[in-house]
Amino acid sequence: DAGITQSPRHKVTETGTPVTLRCHQTENHRYMYWYRQDPGHGLRLIHYSYGVKDTDKGEVSDGYSVSRSKTEDFLLTLESATSSQTSVYFCAISVANEQFFGPGTRLTVL
Amino acid sequence: QKEVEQNSGPLSVPEGAIASLNCTYSDRGSQSFFWYRQYSGKSPELIMFIYSNGDKEDGRFTAQLNKASQYVSLLIRDSQPSDSATYLCAVAQSMEYGNKLVFGAGTILRVKS
Repeated sequence: DAGITQSPRHKVTETGTPVTLRCHQTENHRYMYWYRQDPGHGLRLIHYSYGVKDTDKGEVSDGYSVSRSKTEDFLLTLESATSSQTSVYFCAISVANEQFFGPGTRLTVL
Repeated sequence: QKEVEQNSGPLSVPEGAIASLNCTYSDRGSQSFFWYRQYSGKSPELIMFIYSNGDKEDGRFTAQLNKASQYVSLLIRDSQPSDSATYLCAVAQSMEYGNKLVFGAGTILRVKS
């Protein structure tokens, strides 16, 4: 499982509330990624990080922010959740050009 | 046009047959290609990667790449019911720092016993 954990694994929240998802890795990998997966769209990159405090946007970054204050943790925040952000969120790490995924977080925004 | 395209399926094959999964991509400069398997409710699992034109074999899996045609495929020989899953094709694109993966929407494979 490449030493990646995500928390929470499931969350139901209401529109307009802030939500933070956590990705934790145990092997000091430099690159970390957040993707969302929706039917018919596959996996789409939200944000990624190339080191502590170094992050950049992916293709679907609107409405999301990230932070990485420690190598092992990459946080994804929805400042004000909307129903369109109902999705499954996967964290990934990169090892020698290959990406490995965490178990995912299923988020429902009502 | 999507950057990475796959037939959504489902592709149904009998047990023991060869399953052929196909993927086309639009960025002619792409260099690295990946196949992931995803069981329902689980995370994607990397099963193959290929960087050079031609075939790459790993057990029952063979990845095939044709950069001139911008086409990558995955063959699964002696298909088993446990191979039933969604198969995701991904193409690496360079960013300022590292690479990102662009995924197709996936092909559902069903192996019938």
